[in-house]
Order: sequence, then C-alpha cells, then structure tokens
Amino acid sequence: EVQLVESGGGLVQPGGSLRLSCAVSGFTFRSSWMNWFRQPPGKGLEWVANIKEDTNEKYYVDSVKGRFTISGDNAKNSLYLQMNSLRGEDTAVYYCATWAHWGQGTLVTVSS
Amino acid sequence: QAVVTQEPSLTVSPGGTVTLTCGSSTGTVTSGHWPYWFQQKPGQAPRTLIYDTSNRNSWTPARFSGSLLGGRAALTLSGAQPEDAADYYCLLSYSGSRVFGGGTKLTVL
Repeated sequence: EVQLVESGGGLVQPGGSLRLSCAVSGFTFRSSWMNWFRQPPGKGLEWVANIKEDTNEKYYVDSVKGRFTISGDNAKNSLYLQMNSLRGEDTAVYYCATWAHWGQGTLVTVSS
Repeated sequence: QAVVTQEPSLTVSPGGTVTLTCGSSTGTVTSGHWPYWFQQKPGQAPRTLIYDTSNRNSWTPARFSGSLLGGRAALTLSGAQPEDAADYYCLLSYSGSRVFGGGTKLTVL
C-alpha cells in the first residue's frame, strides 16, 4: 500500500524558513514524478513544484522560484521542500503527492 | 502563466448525468496537456480520479469518465450518487509547469 506522510509544518514569521518532509512507503519514487501541492485556507489547489529523480528534472510555480527548493533522498525514500523567504501568501496546507496518491497534508502558517 | 477555467458550481439530481469541463487560456486542450481530475470532500485531502485525459485509477468508480470535448477536458458523471457531492479540480500540464483550475463545487440535489 502506498503511503505518503508529510511533516515539518508550523508557524513561522515572514521572511523565515521551513523544511517540509514527506516519508514515502509502498513504492520507490526514483523514476516517478513527485509533487508538492498547496491549498490556502478556504481556497483552491495550487501546484508548487515537482521532481523526477532519475532525470534530475525539477519545476516550480513562478511564485516560489528562487525561494523554494524541492529535493529527494532515495536512500530514505523521502521528499523534501525547503522553503525560504516565506510570505503570508505561502500560508496553506501543503500536500506531498504522486500523480495517483496524496498525503494528508501539513499546515504552514506564515504570520508575525 | 496559463489560466485554467472550470465552472464554479454545478448541480445534478441523484441518478442524473453532469459534465464538468476544463479550459485553457492558451487554446484547445489536447491529450498533450495530460489532463487530470481530482475530487476533494470537506476536511479531506484530494484524491486522483482521472489521469491522462481518460484513465481511471483502481478506486475510481466507473460512473466517472474523462474525455476531450469541444476543445476542453471533460469529466462526466453518469448516475450521480449523494456521495459524489464534492469539489472537483482539473490540472493541465504546460511543458513542465502544471496549473489547476479554480475548481467546480458539485451539488447532488
């Protein structure tokens, strides 16, 4: 059974940093696309970034380019999202997902 | 960045049929946009219903089908059930970038 479990969310001040983690079990993601999505409270879904380890491809939504970095650790079967220079508009539930399976999400709140 | 559009809300009667659509500001939606459809119920994480235009996951009820229709991606629900009331999102791919539509709130009433 495929499972994805996010962690690392919390309250951070504007300009601060957080690192989200996603523990993946049930499959090896090296040759699969892995995504981070987010959903601000009461709003729709937004794709944030994705990565394909075996071809070293990474893509980001324009609003996070230069601030967020997606990475993976095959040995730990884990996906990460390093988020720097956080802004209020980054407040959202962040989901780790393949194209078929989703985690339950972790809440990131950017506020002073 | 492209803008993806969906109907904000739709209503279907139990047992009825409804089609949700997904358009692109760049023009006709094709299979090359790899359309996806996701369902999200209140308080829950989304789940993937349809991938690559028309392929169901193993957990997707057969009453859901995906297609291309009139230059848009389409999700058709045939024989709506009360449990199908949810928000539905489409996602299109643009050469590495991905864009969600704003979502359709489906009411079964």
